[in-house]
Amino acid sequence: DQQVKQNSPSLSVQEGRISILNCDYTNSMFDYFLWYKKYPAEGPTFLISISSIKDKNEDGRFTVFLNKSAKHLSLHIVPSQPGDSAVYFCAAGSDYKLSFGAGTTVTVRA
Amino acid sequence: DAGVIQSPRHEVTEMGQEVTLRCKPISGHNSLFWYRQTMMRGLELLIYFNNNVPIDDSGMPEDRFSAKMPNASFSTLKIQPSEPRDSAVYFCATPASTGELFFGEGSRLTVL
Repeated sequence: DQQVKQNSPSLSVQEGRISILNCDYTNSMFDYFLWYKKYPAEGPTFLISISSIKDKNEDGRFTVFLNKSAKHLSLHIVPSQPGDSAVYFCAAGSDYKLSFGAGTTVTVRA
Repeated sequence: DAGVIQSPRHEVTEMGQEVTLRCKPISGHNSLFWYRQTMMRGLELLIYFNNNVPIDDSGMPEDRFSAKMPNASFSTLKIQPSEPRDSAVYFCATPASTGELFFGEGSRLTVL
């Protein structure tokens, strides 16, 4: 049973434009949320997180938005750069356990 | 610190053979997770250790899978006998105090 869903398997965006990645979750007990980035042949690396007491967290070009009532979070990357081409995983956790989505492959076109 | 170290990076084996994947966590991190990544299901938690003790193994698919953490600096994930559907990338990870996980580079397993 997938508690974290990323419904878009892929996203193509032009360099300089905004990338918006979406994620939905079902478990209302999740109290922190993260985004990970993964390049081929490497492990996922932590990108940005947000706790359930906030609705926005910004770190440079990356902003995560959380809508608890809708059980939805999104990651905005602006401006998108070629180095942002990767697989992005959404994750949600409570206590020690993180549940991951299936990932969205982002391709940034020059 | 070298981060989380996994071996082997790639393993190709035949159905029925035993597979052992290894993980060296970040020194001082007391928890360790094994995840499996597949195209269909993304990253799935297999097992979680805290202070070398298995706390949650509910994600281990079946009895063919077993994991051990004999000490704070080493863990193994074993599959015996292996099957083609076990083909995936297996990740080991340890958590920072703020909750995010540090992942190893993964072990890509192909069972023919």
